Amino acid sequence: DTEVTQTPKHLVMGMTNKKSLKCEQHMGHRAMYWYKQKAKKPPELMFVYSYEKLSINESVPSRFSPECPNSSLLNLHLHALQPEDSALYLCASSQNNLGSSYEQYFGPGTRLTVT
Amino acid sequence: ILNVEQSPQSLHVQEGDSTNFTCSFPSSNFYALHWYRWETAKSPEALFVMTLNGDEKKKGRISATLNTKEGYSYLYIKGSQPEDSATYLCAYSNAGGTSYGKLTFGQGTILTVHP
Repeated sequence: DTEVTQTPKHLVMGMTNKKSLKCEQHMGHRAMYWYKQKAKKPPELMFVYSYEKLSINESVPSRFSPECPNSSLLNLHLHALQPEDSALYLCASSQNNLGSSYEQYFGPGTRLTVT
Repeated sequence: ILNVEQSPQSLHVQEGDSTNFTCSFPSSNFYALHWYRWETAKSPEALFVMTLNGDEKKKGRISATLNTKEGYSYLYIKGSQPEDSATYLCAYSNAGGTSYGKLTFGQGTILTVHP
C-alpha cells in the first residue's frame, strides 16, 4: 500500500471555527510533512515530523497546530483561521527525512476555504 | 531564502515530440534534488531523487540529469504522450543548518501534450 490518505477532501470553515485535517499512511514511513499550496504557487513546507517528534516548524502561525499521535497518523488542528489561509493542504510521508534523500509520497490534499 | 527556478513555465507539444525542462538551484551546500509529476486532481508523484553530481536517472521515457557544481537539473521526456500532460515540479534540499530535511519547490513546468 503506497497510498497517503487525507480527509476531508474539502473543508469550508468560518474564522471562529475549530477543525482538524487528518492524514494517514501505512507504509511504515517515519517522516511526515504538512505543506500549504496557494493557487499558481509551489507547495510550501509547514511542518515536519520525524519519528513522531516535530523536527521542523517553518514559523507557522499558532492558529495551525500539528499533532502526530502515532507513526501512521498526522493531524493539523485549525483554529481562528483567516481568509488568506484558504489553500490546498498537502500531507506527505517518506521513509525518513535524513536530508530529504528519500522520495516523498503525497496525499491528494484538503482544499480549505476560510469564510 | 533558497531560490529554485524552473523553465519554461509552460510548454505545449505535439504527441510524439521529445521535450525537456530545466530546474536551477543554489549550487552551494547541495544535498538532494527531487522531481515530481503532478497531474490535475491527483497527488504529486515522485519521479526521481538525485544526490550525486553527474547522476542520470531513467524511468521509461522520462530521464533526468544533475549538475550540482553549476546548480541545474534537466528533465527529458522522449516521445511525449497525452498522458504525460501534468505539472512537473523540482524540489531542492540543502545540507545544513535549519534547512536540513526541508524541500524547497520550484514553481513547476506545466506540460500539455496535444494528440
